[in-house]
Amino acid sequence: KNEVEQSPQNLTAQEGEFITINCSYSVGISALHWLQQHPGGGIVSLFMLSSGKKKHGRLIATINIQEKHSSLHITASHPRDSAVYICAVFVNQFYFGTGTSLTVIP
Amino acid sequence: SQTIHQWPATLVQPVGSPLSLECTVEGTSNPNLYWYRQAAGRGLQLLFYSVGIGQISSEVPQNLSASRPQDRQFILSSKKLLLSDSGFYLCACSKQGPKGTEAFFGQGTRLTVV
Repeated sequence: KNEVEQSPQNLTAQEGEFITINCSYSVGISALHWLQQHPGGGIVSLFMLSSGKKKHGRLIATINIQEKHSSLHITASHPRDSAVYICAVFVNQFYFGTGTSLTVIP
Repeated sequence: SQTIHQWPATLVQPVGSPLSLECTVEGTSNPNLYWYRQAAGRGLQLLFYSVGIGQISSEVPQNLSASRPQDRQFILSSKKLLLSDSGFYLCACSKQGPKGTEAFFGQGTRLTVV
């Protein structure tokens, strides 16, 4: 049983497309994180959310606490956005989704 | 601001050799600290967590150990690496603050055992 489920597992998009990655969780949380991991690279924290919506450049993250669901949106996608995006929730420890592998084709 | 320094970023070690990965936290005190591992094709799995100096809890039996010699230092070790120890290791931190739980992550260490 996974506390955090992400979809899709893999995503290929053309440059410029609008992208949505979804995350559902089954536990009561105090915060949700979106992380980025480039191939062979380390983890970069993109957002921490406890409610509502946050925006940073072309990235937007939303969370619906009642529905236990979060989305990560990328507007005007670019090849440099190609990475694995991981959703993580914190209860008494971190629970991670298995990640969404995004490939943006020029 | 709070940060986690985790090193090294990548590491190639022979089977049977020892391991020491270090994680140091800055900008906060008395945090909860965590070590996670991501094996190939799988999600991040909790290995150890610590709520204070010398206090270590292990989630899964394995070839690894952890220590917390100082408040903001968390070390992952092995006496003899196995091929199955290869993976991505992530240090994470949480701290209860006035605005709720703050959490942040190290960059991770990619370990290849050959």
